[in-house]
Amino acid sequence: EAQVTQNPRYLITVTGKKLTVTCSQNMNHEYMSWYRQDPGLGLRQIYYSMNVEVTDKGDVPEGYKVSRKEKRNFPLILESPSPNQTSLYFCASSSYPQGGRDTQYFGPGTRLTVL
Amino acid sequence: DAKTTQPNSMESNEEEPVHLPCNHSTISGTDYIHWYRQLPSQGPEYVIHGLTSNVNNRMASLAIAEDRKSSTLILHRATLRDAAVYYCILTPSLADNFNKFYFGSGTKLNVKP
Repeated sequence: EAQVTQNPRYLITVTGKKLTVTCSQNMNHEYMSWYRQDPGLGLRQIYYSMNVEVTDKGDVPEGYKVSRKEKRNFPLILESPSPNQTSLYFCASSSYPQGGRDTQYFGPGTRLTVL
Repeated sequence: DAKTTQPNSMESNEEEPVHLPCNHSTISGTDYIHWYRQLPSQGPEYVIHGLTSNVNNRMASLAIAEDRKSSTLILHRATLRDAAVYYCILTPSLADNFNKFYFGSGTKLNVKP
């Protein structure tokens, strides 16, 4: 089944403890992206990647890192999480390298709480 | 950045058509118009997209105004499963921003039995 998977689905952590949220897709998509969703602010793009080793900032990249060493994986790294990064995170992928022209497939979400 | 304006919420009766409007008066000539929806406790899912002409697929229809400053998502027969937040999104026209997506706050659709 074609899908985008994220792990973990739920995570509670403390300020400053490094964490990684993994994202994997099995559709051989070139474009991948991370979003955060907050009440009243909607979905905001954090980072995106057009292909392996090619990443760029979205709307709200501060406090986050990403890497794209393999086509199928696009982990989101929080080196020193803070409470304002408490949010619902979504990973997405798309077949077209310029993601805006094609359908994005979203993962199920990761709910992160930073205490 | 081209932005969209949608009503915060709408209500519909089951099995009736629903017309969800979106205004995008600052749209550029090469911006695509995308619609996604987000069911409760799920990630967004693609509904439909278009550039200039009206589009139909198994889920919905997209009617685009001639001047492209507005569009309407049409659900032909609403079901309870269609209750969701619907997002109208434009992809930026600049080549170096083509990969960025800007989701607005969307329209929350409530479907009454």
